[in-house]
Amino acid sequence: GAGVSQSPRYKVAKRGQDVALRCDPISGHVSLFWYQQALGQGPEFLTYFQNEAQLDKSGLPSDRFFAERPEGSVSTLKIQRTQQEDSAVYLCASSLVDRLYRPQHFGDGTRLSIL
Amino acid sequence: DQQVKQNSPSLSVQEGRISILNCDYTNSMFDYFLWYKKYPAEGPTFLISISSIKDKNEDGRFTVFLNKSAKHLSLHIVPSQPGDSAVYFCAASGGNSGGYQKVTFGTGTKLQVIP
Repeated sequence: GAGVSQSPRYKVAKRGQDVALRCDPISGHVSLFWYQQALGQGPEFLTYFQNEAQLDKSGLPSDRFFAERPEGSVSTLKIQRTQQEDSAVYLCASSLVDRLYRPQHFGDGTRLSIL
Repeated sequence: DQQVKQNSPSLSVQEGRISILNCDYTNSMFDYFLWYKKYPAEGPTFLISISSIKDKNEDGRFTVFLNKSAKHLSLHIVPSQPGDSAVYFCAASGGNSGGYQKVTFGTGTKLQVIP
C-alpha cells in the first residue's frame, strides 16, 4: 500500500501476557519510529530505526519493551508481561532520510487495552 | 517536563472564519516545527512545517507563523471549513546530532468548525 500499515488495529490482552505489534512502513523509507499515545496526550517517542539499526531507544519505558526491524523494512514492537499502564495507542511512523527535515508519515496505530 | 505546550484543549469557530491555534515551546534547541492533523481512529497526518530560519510558511488555507524570541508558533486556517474539524498537534524537533528527527509533540487542540 501507499501508506504506513499497522496491525492489529485493536489488541486486548490480559495483564501479564506478551503482545507483538507490527508496522509496515512506506516502501523506500529508511527511517522508522515508534510512538506511544496515552488518552488525551500527544504521541511520545519510543524508539527509532535507520534501516535495521536501532539508533535510539531512549523512549522505551522499561526493559519489557523491545523493538526490532531485522531486514530494514517491517518492524515489530513487543511488550512482555504487559501492565495496565501499557494501555495506549501505539503509532508507527516512517520518513525518508535523504534530508534531515522531512515530515514523518504515520500509520493509524494499534489500540492496546490491558485488562 | 512538557517541552511543547498547547494550552487550549479545544476551539470552536464558525465556518468561513479564521481559526488560530497556538503553541509554545521551551527548548531553544528546537529548529524545525510541524503541525499534524488527526481524525478519530486515524494516525496524525502531516499538515505544514516551518524551519527556524523562516518566520512564516504558507500552504493554501494554512499558514504557520514562528516567533523564535517568544518561542511561540501559531497555525492559521482561513477560511475554516467543517472538514477541518479535528485534533491539531504541534510538534518540534532539533538539536539532535544523530541526523534524524526526534519529534516532541504537544497535547493537541481539538478544533470544531461549526457550519
